[in-house]
Parts: sequence; C-alpha cells; structure tokens
Amino acid sequence: NAGVTQTPKFRVLKTGQSMTLLCAQDMNHEYMYWYRQDPGMGLRLIHYSVGEGTTAKGEVPDGYNVSRLKKQNFLLGLESAAPSQTSVYFCASSGQYSTDTQYFGPGTRLTVL
Amino acid sequence: GNSVTQMEGPVTLSEEAFLTINCTYTATGYPSLFWYVQYPGEGLQLLLKATKADDKGSNKGFEATYRKETTSFHLEKGSVQVSDSAVYFCALNDYKLSFGAGTTVTVRA
Repeated sequence: NAGVTQTPKFRVLKTGQSMTLLCAQDMNHEYMYWYRQDPGMGLRLIHYSVGEGTTAKGEVPDGYNVSRLKKQNFLLGLESAAPSQTSVYFCASSGQYSTDTQYFGPGTRLTVL
Repeated sequence: GNSVTQMEGPVTLSEEAFLTINCTYTATGYPSLFWYVQYPGEGLQLLLKATKADDKGSNKGFEATYRKETTSFHLEKGSVQVSDSAVYFCALNDYKLSFGAGTTVTVRA
C-alpha cells in the first residue's frame, strides 16, 4: 500500500519558470491538501479539495494553482516561480470527512533561484 | 479563527529523561486534536489523536489528553530514546488542519 506519493522529490527552478507537483493517493480518500513548510512556521495550507473536480483556497494560495481532475490525483502548479516559493511542499489526504486523520506524502523540496 | 500554540524549541534531553511539549489551542467549535511527528528528511506521520474532551491519545509510549477546560493537548513521554529525536507538531482539525510551529527534540545517548 503506497499511501500518498509525491513527485518529484527535489527540484531547482529559476525565477519565472513554471512547474507542476504531482500528488497521488491510493486510499480512495475524498479530501486532498497541499501544504508548504517553512522554518519556524509549521505547515500552512495552500489549497485543498473536498472531492474530484473541486478545489478551494487555503491560507496562502497566491502564486499557486491546483487541479483535481481525478479523485486519486491532486496537482499543484506554479506558473511563474519566485524565490519566496522556496519551501518544502507536502501533500496530504483524508477520508470522507474533513475531521478525519490526514495522511502525508514524503514531501518535495523546491528551490527557486 | 482556529490556532495552535506550542512550546518553542529546540529541546535537548538525555536518554531516559521525561519529555513534555506544551500545546494550547483556540477554536470556535469542537475540534479533533493531533500530534504529528516528522523524522529527519521525512514527511509527517500521525503520532496520536483525540477526538473529544477528556480523550487520551497514546502511541509508542507517548500520551496526550484533550483538556477542554484549559484548551490544551500536552504531549508527554516518560522515558525518551535517541530514536525519538524529531520535530513534533500539534494540530487541530475543525474543518481543516491548523498546525503549531513545531518543536525540535534532540535526545542524546
């Protein structure tokens, strides 16, 4: 059982470049989330989805877009990367209710030069 | 809005010492409370949780009790090991997860 997987694990971008981070889960979960982790700030919610075809803004959505075309996948896009987006990005998923336990992927370390 | 405040680190302990990490929360509803652990280079793993007042979550020797009267969910372990060195996050889940800033714990042999 793979759980939550993320690709890529590491990436270096130049300012202005674009990229997409992929999250996949095999637990048939309804809810999926994207967080960023920065030193001393815990995890902050970027965007989330309550089911296939839905997306919603979290705490820090600016500069990011997301899509949930399939239930098992949740994509995070950076259209024009900025150094302030250097961070570790975590995807998570949870079951049928928003209060269910969230399960996290291993993370993607992104550096924007 | 919802928020979580947890004890600042870093915390350095010797093996077999007692560990406490304080966590308090502010919430408008009746959230579930969680402790997650992040080992070096890894993602977050659920350590324990409690879904209602007076519930005690426990796992791997760690315990935390949901105290509604003091809005707290302090994490404790009676005898830590080197393998407990990690970052610990307190979180509450009302309709989405809100995390504390994390506490780095280092256990020396």
